[in-house]
Amino acid sequence: NAGVTQTPKFRVLKTGQSMTLLCAQDMNHEYMYWYRQDPGMGLRLIHYSVGEGTTAKGEVPDGYNVSRLKKQNFLLGLESAAPSQTSVYFCASSPGTGGFYEQYFGPGTRLTVT
Amino acid sequence: AQRVTQPEKLLSVFKGAPVELKCNYSYSGSPELFWYVQYSRQRLQLLLRHISRESIKGFTADLNKGETSFHLKKPFAQEEDSAMYYCASNGGSQGNLIFGKGTKLSVKP
Repeated sequence: NAGVTQTPKFRVLKTGQSMTLLCAQDMNHEYMYWYRQDPGMGLRLIHYSVGEGTTAKGEVPDGYNVSRLKKQNFLLGLESAAPSQTSVYFCASSPGTGGFYEQYFGPGTRLTVT
Repeated sequence: AQRVTQPEKLLSVFKGAPVELKCNYSYSGSPELFWYVQYSRQRLQLLLRHISRESIKGFTADLNKGETSFHLKKPFAQEEDSAMYYCASNGGSQGNLIFGKGTKLSVKP
């Protein structure tokens, strides 16, 4: 199993450009998450999904959109990138609730917005 | 809102010294606690979870419900332990984990 994969690994955008980050998992997990990691801020939850076709806002959702059209994929979109969105983005998945809270993380996407 | 607190941003120790990374949680229900580790420029990996009560890479953590703490300990630190450590708890409104802000452990030779 590949686990959780993310594409791309690196990206440089200019202010105002758009892009989509792709997260894929092959563990048949129900829950998927997008986090951003910034120095001194730890991990902050952007959006998450509790199942195919559902999404919900996390702690810092502004400027991002997500979609979960297929159970195995969770897309994060930036419609108009801003320098404040320069960060490392991590995707994660977990089996669901009921005691199965462990999250499995992808390798991250390093995004720079100039 | 539920919260996980890691009071130390940076912890620096010498090789062979004991290490304790602190974590306090606020979830008042049945807590499930985790420690994740992130080595330089790598993904987060699960280090241990309180349910399994395992010792991984010499690290242990005991859940203290009275003090709402889940401190991570290792009796003799190694240089390869240098990494970011995140404590996490259940209690998110949609079944998600809540992460602390992390502690950077630096083990000096």
